[in-house]
Amino acid sequence: AQKITQTQPGMFVQEKEAVTLDCTYDTSDQSYGLFWYKQPSSGEMIFLIYQGSYDEQNATEGRYSLNFQKARKSANLVISASQLGDSAMYFCAMREGNYGQNFVFGPGTRLSVLP
Amino acid sequence: NAGVTQTPKFRILKIGQSMTLQCTQDMNHNYMYWYRQDPGMGLKLIYYSVGAGITDKGEVPNGYNVSRSTTEDFPLRLELAAPSQTSVYFCASRLRDQRGTQYFGPGTRLLVL
Repeated sequence: AQKITQTQPGMFVQEKEAVTLDCTYDTSDQSYGLFWYKQPSSGEMIFLIYQGSYDEQNATEGRYSLNFQKARKSANLVISASQLGDSAMYFCAMREGNYGQNFVFGPGTRLSVLP
Repeated sequence: NAGVTQTPKFRILKIGQSMTLQCTQDMNHNYMYWYRQDPGMGLKLIYYSVGAGITDKGEVPNGYNVSRSTTEDFPLRLELAAPSQTSVYFCASRLRDQRGTQYFGPGTRLLVL
């Protein structure tokens, strides 16, 4: 079974609009971490934002925020005021367990920002 | 700090050849990882290490070997290259902390013909 599901293979958004990228996860651990990474066309993996399973507040980092709904096992990334430079692949990932060494990545969503 | 560095950036191998992908980090991170990313896909874990002398298999270890003799280095060895190993290989590292954010190298693009 897929541990990380990203149901949107591709998304389009108009410049300056907000966009939500979906991520659902599957784990039986009580302690886990959720991450979003950005991969531009140049290929590098850039860390964006982190949410711990015990964090009570949704994580925010600048224009990025994570809409964490623990009961629904979802960790959606919200990008506000989209910019052309946001066009990239976006990956959701999960670390299971406290200090867990294993990570699993989702298949990714390709975001295209339109001028 | 250079972070995580990988060499080479790009390599073409013939079927049956062997090579070693190099990965070095200067952040004194305990954990290191090797992933492969096939075109249009997410990352799959090949091997990881929680410290010098300790390695373990990930999801797709067949056809690869690793070693970790120092904290800084985590080379990935391909023996008898096959076309199915054509991929982009990423090395990553992280601290042994509860958050566990991974930091990635720039990747090595490998083509097996």
